[in-house]
Amino acid sequence: DQQVKQNSPSLSVQEGRISILNCDYTNSMFDYFLWYKKYPAEGPTFLISISSIKDKNEDGRFTVFLNKSAKHLSLHIVPSQPGDSAVYFCAASFFISSGSARQLTFGSGTQLTVLP
Amino acid sequence: DSGVTQTPKHLITATGQRVTLRCSPRSGDLSVYWYQQSLDQGLQFLIQYYNGEERAKGNILERFSAQQFPDLHSELNLSSLELGDSALYFCASSVDWRAGSQDTQYFGPGTRLTVL
Repeated sequence: DQQVKQNSPSLSVQEGRISILNCDYTNSMFDYFLWYKKYPAEGPTFLISISSIKDKNEDGRFTVFLNKSAKHLSLHIVPSQPGDSAVYFCAASFFISSGSARQLTFGSGTQLTVLP
Repeated sequence: DSGVTQTPKHLITATGQRVTLRCSPRSGDLSVYWYQQSLDQGLQFLIQYYNGEERAKGNILERFSAQQFPDLHSELNLSSLELGDSALYFCASSVDWRAGSQDTQYFGPGTRLTVL
């Protein structure tokens, strides 16, 4: 049961344009959402996050939008740069009271290619 | 550089063997998480420790175990290795895990395990 889904395995965008990466989730208990970027042979790098009490969070070229009613979040990168080419993972977290822990659930990732 | 270190970077071993992967969290982080990324798979949560105590278990096989030491470094032990255990193993750390805290996990560079 995939609780966090990234339905687009790949996305190509021209340099300078907007990149929009999408993520859907099914578990309404998720209350914190994150985006990570990953280069080959490296660990995921944290990019930006959003709490479920917000619908938008911005950090430089990166903006994350959360639509709780649709259980959908998206990452916008403007303007896109060739160095942004990487795999982007969406992740969601909730507090597991029975185990007293928070646990991240990751999507399968989207390969973004920014063409010069 | 996330501040999370993992050793070794690469590990090649044979089926049936046992290996130990090591992780040092970021300074000040009390929580350590282990993840597995197999070929063409997303990141699968294995186990979480907080200040030396196990907090949550994910899809961790019984042949795998972990611990977190008083100095907060963690080790993941994989035994009776099978070909299918070949994967990237990532460690992540965060400051806290409790309800109300929306913790960001920071990932290490990973250990690539190859079982021949």
